[in-house]
Amino acid sequence: GQQVMQIPQYQHVQEGEDFTTYCNSSTTLSNIQWYKQRPGGHPVFLIQLVKSGEVKKQKRLTFQFGEAKKNSSLHITATQTTDVGTYFCAKGGANFGNEKLTFGTGTRLTIIP
Amino acid sequence: DTAVSQTPKYLVTQMGNDKSIKCEQNLGHDTMYWYKQDSKKFLKIMFSYNNKELIINETVPNRFSPKSPDKAHLNLHINSLELGDSAVYFCASSHEGVGRGGSGYEQYFGPGTRLTVT
Repeated sequence: GQQVMQIPQYQHVQEGEDFTTYCNSSTTLSNIQWYKQRPGGHPVFLIQLVKSGEVKKQKRLTFQFGEAKKNSSLHITATQTTDVGTYFCAKGGANFGNEKLTFGTGTRLTIIP
Repeated sequence: DTAVSQTPKYLVTQMGNDKSIKCEQNLGHDTMYWYKQDSKKFLKIMFSYNNKELIINETVPNRFSPKSPDKAHLNLHINSLELGDSAVYFCASSHEGVGRGGSGYEQYFGPGTRLTVT
């Protein structure tokens, strides 16, 4: 299937610094979801973006969907140790809703206290 | 009240053996999935069932056979285990179909089964 690329693969930040991960697709996305996986844990749904140019916020997390619906980003302001984990974007299958999610390659975030 | 549960949590076995992983969800979802996560953390779908019917079967070896006795359960049986099967296997569930405006439904993941083949 078509891959969803995420960059960077790894990110080490000092606690309090900001963090951003980017998700890019070669095709137009019907929707995009974001998940967080803590070390040793399982993926947990964070949010879904559907509309072109959509911006959603959850406390220190800001999610954006590109105007062309081919890319998305997750930005964390003032990182905390609880933000440690791997962040995945996931694109839904066209015309299928989410019966098939294709996950991005993930960005592993580590925090230096 | 665990939403999506899997057993066992850890599974260590030798090459050539046959093993099963069980999954149950109590969320009333119609769709269940199996994912494989390798050592590099790549998360890839293997199978998807909707109301006990197989709807997605990615390029997975025939040694892997999912079975859904009812829509709350999706088990995964693996024959003739190989070293390359070592990974974490996640079960997940969701509502089916397309939401409003082309949105999908979030997936709820189980805690995972770490399979080690020696």
